[in-house]
Amino acid sequence: EAQVTQNPRYLITVTGKKLTVTCSQNMNHEYMSWYRQDPGLGLRQIYYSMNVEVTDKGDVPEGYKVSRKEKRNFPLILESPSPNQTSLYFCASRRQTGNNEKLFFGSGTQLSVL
Amino acid sequence: GDSVTQMEGPVTLSEEAFLTINCTYTATGYPSLFWYVQYPGEGLQLLLKATKADDKGSNKGFEATYRKETTSFHLEKGSVQVSDSAVYFCALSDSGNTPLVFGKGTRLSVIA
Repeated sequence: EAQVTQNPRYLITVTGKKLTVTCSQNMNHEYMSWYRQDPGLGLRQIYYSMNVEVTDKGDVPEGYKVSRKEKRNFPLILESPSPNQTSLYFCASRRQTGNNEKLFFGSGTQLSVL
Repeated sequence: GDSVTQMEGPVTLSEEAFLTINCTYTATGYPSLFWYVQYPGEGLQLLLKATKADDKGSNKGFEATYRKETTSFHLEKGSVQVSDSAVYFCALSDSGNTPLVFGKGTRLSVIA
């Protein structure tokens, strides 16, 4: 089954404790992206990657890191989480063949930073 | 830059009512347009899309027509059901090399 898998589904942590949210896709997609969703602000892009070893900042990259060492994985790293990073996070992927390709989304990670 | 503006919610309708969610866009090129839906507790999934002017996307009773002259892609459904309660996002993709641009989402609640 074609899917984007992100883990964990729920995470509660404390300020300053490094964490990683994993994202994996099994569709051989070139493009992968991370979003955060907050009430009243919609979806905001954090980082995206056009292919292996190619990453770019989105609209809200501060406080986040990503890496794309393999095509299928695109982890999101919070080196020193802060309470304003409490949010619902989504990973997504799509093929990179044109502008009409749909995005496939993971089920989301609800992060709470205390 | 590219942008998408959609009507703010929440929208509350009775079952079998007619639904319209407005979406307008600004783009430099010739974008593809999308509607994504997010059901409670889930990630977004594609509802429908249109890739050129005057195209109509349709799925699950929802429709949207790509109107270049008014730069709009309004979502419509003739008779909503309780199961349509979700958040709806309008989005555009200007090229294969740029990220999708999303609207802020419109929450729809349908009551029996």
